[in-house]
Amino acid sequence: QSALTQPRSVSGSPGQSVTISCTGTSSDVGHYNYISWYQQYPGKAPKLMVFGVSERPSGVPDRFSGSKSGNTASLTISGLQADDEADYFCCSFAGTHWVFGGGTKLTVL
Amino acid sequence: EVQLVESGGGLVQPGGSMRLSCAASGFTFATYWMTWVRQAPGKGLEWVANIKPDGSARAYVDSVKGRLTVSRDNGKNSLYLEMNSLRVEDTAIYYCVRHSNWRFDYWGQGTLVTVSS
Repeated sequence: QSALTQPRSVSGSPGQSVTISCTGTSSDVGHYNYISWYQQYPGKAPKLMVFGVSERPSGVPDRFSGSKSGNTASLTISGLQADDEADYFCCSFAGTHWVFGGGTKLTVL
Repeated sequence: EVQLVESGGGLVQPGGSMRLSCAASGFTFATYWMTWVRQAPGKGLEWVANIKPDGSARAYVDSVKGRLTVSRDNGKNSLYLEMNSLRVEDTAIYYCVRHSNWRFDYWGQGTLVTVSS
């Protein structure tokens, strides 16, 4: 039940695009399309941003998009805005349990 | 409006016990899987346990098996986490989370459990 691997931090300037990777194994990310992404501000609860690899809940801007290739899922945020600065966590089903990534801190320069 | 409100956190000594509760409202609680997710201070999220809508199936992360027990009372729209033999490494904010169609769509505000002597 190992955590998924995410970069500790990424950064970008307003208007740019950034991509956050999430690497697992053939038992989780590579096997299931039950991949979701969560945004968390300091001191707040996480918020669902993407599910089913690339679906967005209502109310989430289309600047947020998800994808998957092999054992790696990705979250791309385009047209960066100041309030995108937060921690982002990926999550995957792993057959009998769920596993999260270690989290990525996004800094908007 | 979906609301999940956790309670029961606090300070407990290593080896001690604690019971967390989560009061759910704004949806038909009895038809949803429910989950506990925790976050150690300054760390990432960790899935802890989940429970089927009728309570007939539960699953746990390996590190808590035999010590933590998830349960629910659909008549009271409530989710519980019974925590025994607590360890320092169980220190975390514990979130009550609704699980819908393979995603965690609503989260409570969390309750902090501190295990320390």
